[in-house]
Amino acid sequence: NAGVTQTPKFRVLKTGQSMTLLCAQDMNHEYMYWYRQDPGMGLRLIHYSVGEGTTAKGKVPDGYNVSRLKKQNFLLGLESAAPSQTSVYFCASSYPHSPLHFGNGTRLTVT
Amino acid sequence: TQLLEQSPQFLSIQEGENLTVYCNSSSVFSSLQWYRQEPGEGPVLLVTVVTGGEVKKLKRLTFQFGDARKDSSLHITAAQPGDTGLYLCAGLYGQNFVFGPGTRLSVLP
Repeated sequence: NAGVTQTPKFRVLKTGQSMTLLCAQDMNHEYMYWYRQDPGMGLRLIHYSVGEGTTAKGKVPDGYNVSRLKKQNFLLGLESAAPSQTSVYFCASSYPHSPLHFGNGTRLTVT
Repeated sequence: TQLLEQSPQFLSIQEGENLTVYCNSSSVFSSLQWYRQEPGEGPVLLVTVVTGGEVKKLKRLTFQFGDARKDSSLHITAAQPGDTGLYLCAGLYGQNFVFGPGTRLSVLP
């Protein structure tokens, strides 16, 4: 039982490059989320989805885009990476208003 | 400004000691969760509290939800090195969960 799987685990980008982070869950959860975690800031919600084909902005959405074409997958895109986007990114999934199941994160460095 | 505050930010104690960490807010939450996160991994749920005044126990961990559902505490009895980690509280606010910044606990053998 894989749970929530994030790929890649690590990535280094140069300023201005683009990339996509992939999140896959096998628990048939309706809701999926992308958070970033920075020291002293806790987990901050970037975007989330309450079902296949739907997405919504979280607290810190600028510079990111997402897509949920299939229920089990939630993609996070960075169109033009900036050093301020250096962070650890976590994907999570859940049933509505239920505890979150997290992946093990992607550590992104933008130089 | 943080919707949820946690204290202390860091805590280093010896094995066998007791400790309490706190999660506070000026907002009311319909439910509150505690997670533990170990290095290189995602947070893992410890407990969910829903009712004001609720107390839940998980082995040596005791969780309490404030009567007004604005705050919570986590008490660990006889801490062990395996308790080391980042403890995060999260409140259900509207449709989403809001996380506190965490308490980083280190239990020394």
